[in-house]
Amino acid sequence: QVQLQESGPGLVKPSETLSLTCTVSGGSVSSGSYYWSWIRQPPGKGLEWIGYIYYSGSTNYNPSLKSRVTISVDTSKNQFSLKLSSVTAADTAVYYCARDITMVQGVIINNWFDPWGQGTLVTVSS
Amino acid sequence: QSVLTQPPSVSEAPRQRVTISCSGSSSNIGNNAVNWYQQLPGKAPKLLIYYDDLLPSGVSDRFSGSKSGTSASLAISGLQSEDEADYYCAAWDDRLNGVVFGGGTKLTVL
Repeated sequence: QVQLQESGPGLVKPSETLSLTCTVSGGSVSSGSYYWSWIRQPPGKGLEWIGYIYYSGSTNYNPSLKSRVTISVDTSKNQFSLKLSSVTAADTAVYYCARDITMVQGVIINNWFDPWGQGTLVTVSS
Repeated sequence: QSVLTQPPSVSEAPRQRVTISCSGSSSNIGNNAVNWYQQLPGKAPKLLIYYDDLLPSGVSDRFSGSKSGTSASLAISGLQSEDEADYYCAAWDDRLNGVVFGGGTKLTVL
């Protein structure tokens, strides 16, 4: 049974870079069957997809965050990571990592997230 | 403002049936599959429905999903107190080339 666990600083100063790591257990990030995503949720608000990475290093980011986001993968550690630069208070959120199952049938794309990590709260404040 | 539109809240009595709507456009729901997630208070979201109407293993068959055109619905029958949660719809958006979520619907079991 695949499990994901986020880790990283819970407090980041404005203008600095937020860095989080997701450790995968019970499965491999090198599996060609899955992508690996980051999703966030500001306190009291809804979910926002940040982006995903494939084991090969191929990435896709939310256009609204693309200029500040980098997602990378370390297959030797079975981890993938998120970096978000130039953070502001608006980036305060619970950050989740998740396994991303993407299927393409002709022009139809479906991807769903299962399972999710427990989430980690990152607060941006001086 | 979310790309997919959900009602902020719904409520219904125990043992009754409730539906939650999710409205989108031709670039997302109209052309791609819809997934639903359940988020219990203080917990991470959990996959509830995928590919419009499929139930993951272990999910109660009291939950069902449907889609028509650019809208989708989640139905919950035989409501129980433990169903109180936030529910989110999501789909791939061809125009944005990424995943979009609804704003979430808070379900209250009266």
